Amino acid sequence: GQSLEQPSEVTAVEGAIVQINCTYQTSGFYGLSWYQQHDGGAPTFLSYNALDGLEETGRFSSFLSRSDSYGYLLLQELQMKDSASYFCALNTGFQKLVFGTGTRLLVSP
Amino acid sequence: NAGVTQTPKFQVLKTGQSMTLQCAQDMNHNSMYWYRQDPGMGLRLIYYSASEGTTDKGEVPNGYNVSRLNKREFSLRLESAAPSQTSVYFCASRGLPGETQYFGPGTRLLVL
Repeated sequence: GQSLEQPSEVTAVEGAIVQINCTYQTSGFYGLSWYQQHDGGAPTFLSYNALDGLEETGRFSSFLSRSDSYGYLLLQELQMKDSASYFCALNTGFQKLVFGTGTRLLVSP
Repeated sequence: NAGVTQTPKFQVLKTGQSMTLQCAQDMNHNSMYWYRQDPGMGLRLIYYSASEGTTDKGEVPNGYNVSRLNKREFSLRLESAAPSQTSVYFCASRGLPGETQYFGPGTRLLVL
């Protein structure tokens, strides 16, 4: 099977940069996705890495290293509205997603 | 363009009751998915439908059935609800391979 590990909580201040790590175990996958979920809301897509390296989308970047079974999400210029839960997810085919347990990001003024 | 819609938003059931959760998408997507999310947890795949007319089990299919009624609609049925099925249920859809999944707003289900 597959499993993903993320820190349960990360705190940071407005304007800072924060990195959320994700380590995984899998026998095979197509890529690593990142989703954001505000309390009471639905997950929304942030970024996807099919290949090793860095993908940049505005203030958000995501990185994948298949050799290290590791990825991260980098959030720059943090804003209060970035306070949410962030999930990494393995794409295992037919875009079936296996999600990590999530990291709660708390941004303070 | 409403995206992915789910009904109902909230539901309370007694143990042993049955119900169907409805999901519809208006993005002409081929693939649709049902997930459950328990408090403080990530989402777990219950069932998915890669295309109209096909359905397959995900990680946690026991106690559920699905129907892909047409390209737009994918329903999830609980035949005999149990307290362990108390959760938030999300429906999602995806278009072409390589595209992301779009999630509906969720159905919050409490089984007493």
